[in-house]
Amino acid sequence: GAGVSQSPSNKVTEKGKDVELRCDPISGHTALYWYRQSLGQGLEFLIYFQGNSAPDKSGLPSDRFSAERTGGSVSTLTIQRTQQEDSAVYLCASRSGGAEQYFGPGTRLTVT
Amino acid sequence: AQSVTQLDSQVPVFEEAPVELRCNYSSSVSVYLFWYVQYPNQGLQLLLKYLSGSTLVKGINGFEAEFNKSQTSFHLRKPSVHISDTAEYFCAVSLYYNQGGKLIFGQGTELSVKP
Repeated sequence: GAGVSQSPSNKVTEKGKDVELRCDPISGHTALYWYRQSLGQGLEFLIYFQGNSAPDKSGLPSDRFSAERTGGSVSTLTIQRTQQEDSAVYLCASRSGGAEQYFGPGTRLTVT
Repeated sequence: AQSVTQLDSQVPVFEEAPVELRCNYSSSVSVYLFWYVQYPNQGLQLLLKYLSGSTLVKGINGFEAEFNKSQTSFHLRKPSVHISDTAEYFCAVSLYYNQGGKLIFGQGTELSVKP
């Protein structure tokens, strides 16, 4: 079946602009995670959605970052007023009832 | 809090040689343990996982790992590597899924297999 998909695959934006990154999880997966992969910080957890529960936002690095998940499926990660330090690969993962997470190919964000 | 340390940032090895990628973790509660592989410009692919039971777990592509609770280690091994195993490998832990299940990753080990 289809895996986790993310769009766009690459995004170049100017400093100060807002960006939206999209994640389509595996159908039927109730849990969805966003992670960030950067050279300096490695792989970091950002935010977690589980069903209709309030999301765990404990990994968001600043209030410029937000995410939503509509209808328990697609998720959008929004970064407002982008900064150069936001340049990274943003990875989305989903999980069903088990422990393992399945990752998408990522969105490479470059802030110029 | 949980943390993961991958002891080697880079491991060069010749084709058909054995390899071990080392991972130690720290946690005051029980965790799940994972190894993921990342090929260039791709996402993460699950190699294997330890949830409970037998401490020796086998994964895809001939990899295996052994959970050692007393040493808080989860080292990854392969008896004979191929050129195609060249990639970055990440060790990760998570709390149980009913506690959120977010992954905490090590810094990664770059495995380079040379002919």
